[in-house]
Amino acid sequence: SQQGEEDPQALSIQEGENATMNCSYKTSINNLQWYRQNSGRGLVHLILIRSNEREKHSGRLRVTLDTSKKSSSLLITASRAADTASYFCALNSGGSNYKLTFGKGTLLTVNP
Amino acid sequence: KAGVTQTPRYLIKTRGQQVTLSCSPISGHRSVSWYQQTPGQGLQFLFEYFSETQRNKGNFPGRFSGRQFSNSRSEMNVSTLELGDSALYLCASSPGLAGGPYDQETQYFGPGTRLLVL
Repeated sequence: SQQGEEDPQALSIQEGENATMNCSYKTSINNLQWYRQNSGRGLVHLILIRSNEREKHSGRLRVTLDTSKKSSSLLITASRAADTASYFCALNSGGSNYKLTFGKGTLLTVNP
Repeated sequence: KAGVTQTPRYLIKTRGQQVTLSCSPISGHRSVSWYQQTPGQGLQFLFEYFSETQRNKGNFPGRFSGRQFSNSRSEMNVSTLELGDSALYLCASSPGLAGGPYDQETQYFGPGTRLLVL
């Protein structure tokens, strides 16, 4: 079934550095969303990018989408210790806007 | 604004028992989805309800069921619990309709119910 695959599985950086996570998928999508999860708690929605969009920004977050390569990237600039979390890409393949298929996530650790 | 709430937050059951989890969506949201999260399988979609009707269903056995009430609150039930049902169960709500302060295509998640089956 359609599932995003995040890369890398884990990433460790220092505060102030930028963090980049990638998501690849195999079939067409309606939109792609990024979520953050802290220590097995609920997911927090970060950003949604539609299939006809190429780039979106939200604060320190920048998301790109390349539908020809079936890939997306999430860039967090000037990272902080509070950004330590797991980051998931979630795919909506159309049909219903309310069924999301999640990847396994990238565990980001930001060291103070 | 109040977010999605889930009760209980933690639950311990034994194999063979059944369990009911509850989810209250954001006020005005009509769509409620349920997900199961385990270390091995990650986040998996269980089902989605809109206006008391199940619109989508994931690949889970019939032991997993749900329902939605007229006030959009939702419950999910797992019967004959197995050890493998130990997981974090997440509920998410969406407006279900365009307009309003919430993005129609975004899902807003609750804190989850952590179920441990012994």
